[in-house]
Amino acid sequence: AQKITQTQPGMFVQEKEAVTLDCTYDTSDPSYGLFWYKQPSSGEMIFLIYQGSYDQQNATEGRYSLNFQKARKSANLVISASQLGDSAMYFCALIKAAGNKLTFGGGTRVLVKP
Amino acid sequence: DVKVTQSSRYLVKRTGEKVFLECVQDMDHENMFWYRQDPGLGLRLIYFSYDVKMKEKGDIPEGYSVSREKKERFSLILESASTNQTSMYLCASSLRTGASNQPQHFGDGTRLSIL
Repeated sequence: AQKITQTQPGMFVQEKEAVTLDCTYDTSDPSYGLFWYKQPSSGEMIFLIYQGSYDQQNATEGRYSLNFQKARKSANLVISASQLGDSAMYFCALIKAAGNKLTFGGGTRVLVKP
Repeated sequence: DVKVTQSSRYLVKRTGEKVFLECVQDMDHENMFWYRQDPGLGLRLIYFSYDVKMKEKGDIPEGYSVSREKKERFSLILESASTNQTSMYLCASSLRTGASNQPQHFGDGTRLSIL
């Protein structure tokens, strides 16, 4: 069975600072992928970034980057230069390679302070 | 851009009613999903479909059924609504099975209250 753990239920960050959101996972599959999604208060889930388990480099997408440590089974999201619009819930999710179902963590709520 | 549209943002129904939640995607995706989201529990998969008329149970299918008669449309049915089905329901679609590096795209969600 696959499991995703996000240990931080909520956190504050100062505008323009960086923030790291933790995600650890458990899977017996040798090949898998990890996604991060953002959910603002309006409710829609927005795809942010993807990391494949065999990708040689950590994924980056604009102000988002993934600190992927395969041996530790962690895939932490780093948001640089936080903006007020980054206030939202953030979810980490795991998928088997060649699979179609995502397993989600419980989420971390981020509040950016001006 | 992929567009996933859910028929209602807010819905209020009574216990025992049969409830239909509709979802339509416009990008010819093979896979479609229904999740429910509850505080502290993240998203939990109810059902998914990988082709027309094909479906598989997710983690919490009890009390729900689904229908996929056309590729673009995936319906979630609460056969006899109960108060413990009050939740946020999210529909999603993805390209196809095997393209696991492709993200799921989500609708805006339906906040369903069962009174």
